Amino acid sequence: SQELEQSPQSLIVQEGKNLTINCTSSKTLYGLYWYKQKYGEGLIFLMMLQKGGEEKSHEKITAKLDEKKQQSSLHITASQPSHAGIYLCGAPPGNTGKLIFGQGTTLQVKP
Amino acid sequence: DAGITQSPRHKVTETGTPVTLRCHQTENHRYMYWYRQDPGHGLRLIHYSYGVKDTDKGEVSDGYSVSRSKTEDFLLTLESATSSQTSVYFCAISESQGREKLFFGSGTQLSVL
Repeated sequence: SQELEQSPQSLIVQEGKNLTINCTSSKTLYGLYWYKQKYGEGLIFLMMLQKGGEEKSHEKITAKLDEKKQQSSLHITASQPSHAGIYLCGAPPGNTGKLIFGQGTTLQVKP
Repeated sequence: DAGITQSPRHKVTETGTPVTLRCHQTENHRYMYWYRQDPGHGLRLIHYSYGVKDTDKGEVSDGYSVSRSKTEDFLLTLESATSSQTSVYFCAISESQGREKLFFGSGTQLSVL
């Protein structure tokens, strides 16, 4: 079965610093989804990457998909306290609609 | 925000009792999912539905059953709750299957004592 491994598991950064979260798949990726979760709340969709080499940005968050490496990265530029939360990557195994998820990366941003 | 309501939001129950969690959507989406979230495991799929009365198992379905009698409602039942089922349960919906993003509810925190 396919597994997604996120690194790091947790991250504490000073406000204004850049950071990167990685998501590595054990099998071929047929798309990659990034979600953000605040404590006690549901998951908020951030971005969906469908093709190798694809890169998307939303405000200060950029995500890339490297199909050859079976990996995606999420980069936050000039982090702010509002970026704090849990970031999860998800992927459909075998190009199905169901998503499996990584274990999540907890981000704290210190003012 | 997608119209997804989970109820109850919090529940404490005793081992051996049956528990039903409800997911209600107002988006008329065909696909609905139940996930559980546990520390160190991310989200794991319990069951999903691809239409009224059409359901299938996910990776952690033992001890759970589901029903979908209407498009808008997807029920998750713990037939005899155990402490290992203490978790946060999330419902999700999607319009189609393939490359459609999932929309999530706010979750139900379940504690089995």
